[in-house]
Parts: sequence; structure tokens; C-alpha cells
Amino acid sequence: DAGVTQSPTHLIKTRGQQVTLRCSPKSGHDTVSWYQQALGQGPQFIFQYYEEEERQRGNFPDRFSGHQFPNYSSELNVNALLLGDSALYLCASSPYRLSSPGGYTFGSGTRLTVV
Amino acid sequence: SQQGEEDPQALSIQEGENATMNCSYKTSINNLQWYRQNSGRGLVHLILIRSNEREKHSGRLRVTLDTSKKSSSLLITASRAADTASYFCATDWYGNKLVFGAGTILRVKS
Repeated sequence: DAGVTQSPTHLIKTRGQQVTLRCSPKSGHDTVSWYQQALGQGPQFIFQYYEEEERQRGNFPDRFSGHQFPNYSSELNVNALLLGDSALYLCASSPYRLSSPGGYTFGSGTRLTVV
Repeated sequence: SQQGEEDPQALSIQEGENATMNCSYKTSINNLQWYRQNSGRGLVHLILIRSNEREKHSGRLRVTLDTSKKSSSLLITASRAADTASYFCATDWYGNKLVFGAGTILRVKS
């Protein structure tokens, strides 16, 4: 049973560039959430997608945008990269309106370095 | 912003000892979850406790929840070197999003 798959695992970009990160949710999950984890800190919620729409959004600027496809996979796009965007980006999937005791399933993350 | 704080920030123990980590949060919750993270990679779900529960066990893990004090604790008994990791608590309000603490770094020495 495949868990959450994220690609790429590592990425180096230059300030001002744009980046796209990808996530395939766990089988049977239809909701995808994205988190940003800076070094030494806990993950921070970016946004959540369900039924191809953004349902919840954290305190992140519009430079951060996303998309969910009919097969429930998702992309995170970041425009005009800043040095401060360097972080581990985590994707988590879940059944919507989580009611099972299983918690969220996280991918291994994409390590983004902006130089 | 972070939901609250974990205490201690770092913990170093010998193999076989118990490890206790505490978590405080600020708002109402539906459930509280604990996750483990090895070497800055993905998070692994350990245990979930609902707001109407006070204690829950899973293998060597014991979690308590005190909603009146907005706090939780995670106890790992008979620790192993493989338990070395960062541990995070996260609060959840009906599946909308997880709000994480800053984490506790646990080192188990063999």
C-alpha cells in the first residue's frame, strides 16, 4: 500500500525563480494538505485541498499557490522565491472530515534550498 | 504561528530509561496527535487522543490529555536507540489543519 509520495526530494533554486512541488496522496485519501518546516521548527500549515478546491489557508502570502487534480494528487507552486522560503515542504493526506483514529499520513518531504 | 510549546526542547537519556515529553496548546481542540520525525524527513503518526479521552496507550507509548490545562504528555517506556528523533504534538479541529508545536529532540544513548 503506497503511502504519500513527494517529488523531487531535493531542489536548489535561485532567488526570484519559481518552483513546483508534487504530491501523490495515500490510496483512499482525497484531501491533501501542505506544510512548510523551517530548520529547527515545527511544520506550519500552508493550505488544504479537497475536491480540487482550496478549503483552508494558513498565514502564507499569495506567492504560494496550489492545485489538486481529479486523481487527488496535488502541486504546490511558489513564485518569486525568497531566501526565507528555504525549508522542508511536507505533504499530508487524509480522508476529508477526518474521523478515523489514524491521523494524517505524511510524505518524506521536499527539501528546497533558495540561493 | 505555533500552537504552543513542547517541553523540554531537548532530552538525552540512556537506553532502557523512560522519556517524557510535554506539550501545551492554546485553543479548543477535537483531538491531539503526536508525530515522530527522523533526521528532518517525513513525519510518522504515533498516536491520536480525542478531546474526550484522558489517557491512551499504544505499545510503549502512553499519552495523557488534560483539556482543562490545555496540555498533553507523551511517555515512551524502555527507550531504544531507534527512538532517537524529534517528537511533535499537533492539535486538530475536525480535520481542517494540524497546528504543531516546536518539538522535542530526543536522544537515546546506547
